[in-house]
Amino acid sequence: QQPVQSPQAVILREGEDAVINCSSSKALYSVHWYRQKHGEAPVFLMILLKGGEQKGHDKISASFNEKKQQSSLYLTASQLSYSGTYFCGTPDKLIFGTGTRLQVFP
Amino acid sequence: DVKVTQSSRYLVKRTGEKVFLECVQDMDHENMFWYRQDPGLGLRLIYFSYDVKMKEKGDIPEGYSVSREKKERFSLILESASTNQTSMYLCASRIRSGGVNEQFFGPGTRLTVL
Repeated sequence: QQPVQSPQAVILREGEDAVINCSSSKALYSVHWYRQKHGEAPVFLMILLKGGEQKGHDKISASFNEKKQQSSLYLTASQLSYSGTYFCGTPDKLIFGTGTRLQVFP
Repeated sequence: DVKVTQSSRYLVKRTGEKVFLECVQDMDHENMFWYRQDPGLGLRLIYFSYDVKMKEKGDIPEGYSVSREKKERFSLILESASTNQTSMYLCASRIRSGGVNEQFFGPGTRLTVL
């Protein structure tokens, strides 16, 4: 079963904030996040591990709640370059979420 | 610079044809993956391979097979293409399983089956 992401789509103005949620029906031991710009390959953003360890992007933050089997991606002061589709995933099970399409306008 | 390449960006085939999608990585990665991407469904794993000659079924293997004869190359085969296999196909590789190792994706092949 794929993790479910919410919202499915979000539209922002430059400088606004957004939160993307990822929820799994199964236990999560780690979560990774990728961004796919239009017409391009998905690119790794970050991975979150049990115990709070986090490796990845320096301008985007995320949280991981193992008990709730959820992760959230926080995009603050969004830039035009943030536009794309965001996927959460479980590295151990090789499963990706349903995706969230983010569009940032000037 | 790490690189995963796929043989075609766009492909149009007819129902019943045998289709080969090729993926090559130049990073000496052990693991390779095939996903399909459909609107609203995200990325779904078709097959993966942890090493040469090895293959494992993913979540949606029906109608597909794979081949990994060399470490750098992972092929996805549609034995008899059908219209419901029209999709974007993404290949990825990873240095090895476990830990914090990220996946590197190719640019994708958009396959249309008529």
